[in-house]
Amino acid sequence: QVQLVESGGGVVQPGRSLRLSCAASGFTFHTYAMHWVRQAPGKGLEWVAVISFDGDNIYYSDPVKGRFTISRDNSKNTLYLQMNNLTTEDTAVYFCARARGVGDYWGQGSLVTVSS
Amino acid sequence: EIVLTQSPGTLSLSPGERATLSCRASQRVSDTYIAWYQQKPGQAPRLLIYGASRRATGIPDRFSGSGSGTDFTLTISRLEPEDYAVYYCQQSTSSLWTFGQGTRVEVK
Repeated sequence: QVQLVESGGGVVQPGRSLRLSCAASGFTFHTYAMHWVRQAPGKGLEWVAVISFDGDNIYYSDPVKGRFTISRDNSKNTLYLQMNNLTTEDTAVYFCARARGVGDYWGQGSLVTVSS
Repeated sequence: EIVLTQSPGTLSLSPGERATLSCRASQRVSDTYIAWYQQKPGQAPRLLIYGASRRATGIPDRFSGSGSGTDFTLTISRLEPEDYAVYYCQQSTSSLWTFGQGTRVEVK
């Protein structure tokens, strides 16, 4: 069955960096685009970034552009989100999602807390 | 950027009642790119509807989607206890996603 498992979250000070991973299994990872979506505590869903199946096409939301980098390793069936220069506004649960246009499978999320 | 506005913010209904949730886009969106998700506390979003009206795998037929252009609707024909949750609409034009702010369906 399709599984997406995020890891790498935690508590980090403002200005520091963190890298999230999303391990995929149960499907042919290298044929799907993948997204990161985040949800601040008590708030709605906010799209963060997308990477095409082959990594050639990448887009970011304005709030993270220039600070976050999405990447993938198709040999390891893993998606990444490198987050630099974090601010308190980045505190959220980060979900990875498989996409065929829409997100048909999602991970359970990884909590990132940015606090001094 | 396409902005999605959902209404109402909260819907208070009793089990068995019909729920009608609205999603309005700031510009025309092809039906192909409209989806609806359900999210319960502490859980990931669950895809309910894609292509504006197509139910995802395993979704009960009490859930239906409709609409075109800028106005889209999610209808739950008869609320079951497990349907109380937050519902989000989403557009996925050009692989970039935006979400509505959500509608909470709560027990009256």
